Amino acid sequence: DQQVKQNSPSLSVQEGRISILNCDYTNSMFDYFLWYKKYPAEGPTFLISISSIKDKNEDGRFTVFLNKSAKHLSLHIVPSQPGDSAVYFCAARDTSAGGTSYGKLTFGQGTILTVHP
Amino acid sequence: GAGVSQTPSNKVTEKGKYVELRCDPISGHTALYWYRQSLGQGPEFLIYFQGTGAADDSGLPNDRFFAVRPEGSVSTLKIQRTERGDSAVYLCASSLSDSSSDTQYFGPGTRLTVL
Repeated sequence: DQQVKQNSPSLSVQEGRISILNCDYTNSMFDYFLWYKKYPAEGPTFLISISSIKDKNEDGRFTVFLNKSAKHLSLHIVPSQPGDSAVYFCAARDTSAGGTSYGKLTFGQGTILTVHP
Repeated sequence: GAGVSQTPSNKVTEKGKYVELRCDPISGHTALYWYRQSLGQGPEFLIYFQGTGAADDSGLPNDRFFAVRPEGSVSTLKIQRTERGDSAVYLCASSLSDSSSDTQYFGPGTRLTVL
C-alpha cells in the first residue's frame, strides 16, 4: 500500500514561472513532512520540511503548504530556475511511534520537474 | 566536511551470490538509515540504527537481508543468495540523532545489479 503518493510523474514549466508539486498521504499518524530533491547519480538532498502543527513553511523560493484535513501537501517554487530541474520526492514521518519506527521516512514515487529556459 | 559515502558505487553480481554494501556516515551522526530505490519509485525504508543497535528493521524484505553497525559508525548491508529482484540502488543516510528535527543526509547510493 502506497501511503505517500505523488500522482504526477512529471511537470514541465517555463523559467520564472511557478512550479507546484503535489503530494497526498493516507496514514493519519504522519505528523512531519519533508521534500527532497534528487539529481541523477546523486542521493536525495533535503529541501524543506513542515510539522503538522503548521500549515505553511517558507524558505527562500520554496514554500510548503500542508492541508491536514485533505491529507495533502504541496511544494511551490517561485520563480522556477533551470537548475531546479530534478526529481522531487515528498516524504512523511510518524514521530509519535515511540522510538521504534520514529526515524523512518516514507517516500512518494517522485515527480520529475523540468524547467525550460 | 565530508558527506555520507557509500562503496562500491556499482556492484554487478550473479544470482545466488553474497554481497556487502558499505556506508560511512557523517562523523558524529548517531542515526544511520538504509533505503532501497527501485526504478521509477521513491526510496523504500529498510532499517535504521541508533548507535550500534537496530532501532527498526521492519523494512528488511526477508531474512536474506542483514545489516550491522558494530562500532556505531560504519554500517554494512549484507545480502545473501541474491535474486534478480534485489537489483536496485541502495541508499544510506545519516542524521545527528533520530529526532524529527534532524535532517537525514543521503549518500550517492550503491547500484546493485543481479544478473
